[in-house]
Amino acid sequence: DQQVKQNSPSLSVQEGRISILNCDYTNSMFDYFLWYKKYPAEGPTFLISISSIKDKNEDGRFTVFLNKSAKHLSLHIVPSQPGDSAVYFCAASALIGANNLFFGTGTRLTVIP
Amino acid sequence: DTAVSQTPKYLVTQMGNDKSIKCEQNLGHDTMYWYKQDSKKFLKIMFSYNNKELIINETVPNRFSPKSPDKAHLNLHINSLELGDSAVYFCASSPPLQETQYFGPGTRLLVL
Repeated sequence: DQQVKQNSPSLSVQEGRISILNCDYTNSMFDYFLWYKKYPAEGPTFLISISSIKDKNEDGRFTVFLNKSAKHLSLHIVPSQPGDSAVYFCAASALIGANNLFFGTGTRLTVIP
Repeated sequence: DTAVSQTPKYLVTQMGNDKSIKCEQNLGHDTMYWYKQDSKKFLKIMFSYNNKELIINETVPNRFSPKSPDKAHLNLHINSLELGDSAVYFCASSPPLQETQYFGPGTRLLVL
């Protein structure tokens, strides 16, 4: 039973344009959300996070939006760069310090030069 | 100065064998984890240890046994390997009261 879903397995975007990666969750107890980026043959690396008390968090080219009523979050990358090409995982946690992250299956982003 | 390291990086073995994967973190974190990423790319937690004590043990066959000799190490021993154990296994660690986890590079296990 997957509690975090990323329904788009892949996304292609032109360099310089916006990339929007989506994530849906089912557990209303989730209160902290993270995005990880993964290159081939490497482990996931933390990218950006958001607490449920916020609806937006921005870090440079990366912005995460949270819509709690829709149980939906998205990651925006602007402008997209070829080095952003990777698999992006959405993750969620039900309790700070519970140390239990639930991951989506990832979206492979390809940024075309 | 790798933060979370795993050995070996690749492991090819026969069904029925016993194997171990080692994990070490030099970040001074209290909590360490093992995840399994299966063929469908689903990344799922298997175990979590905090200061050498088991705190999360998801539904995993008891052929899998984690061992934490100290706070910086969490090893995974697998007995009687099966074909379905083929996957990428990731170790991770996190500081206290933070959700951000730092992952190792993964160990690609192939059971023949």
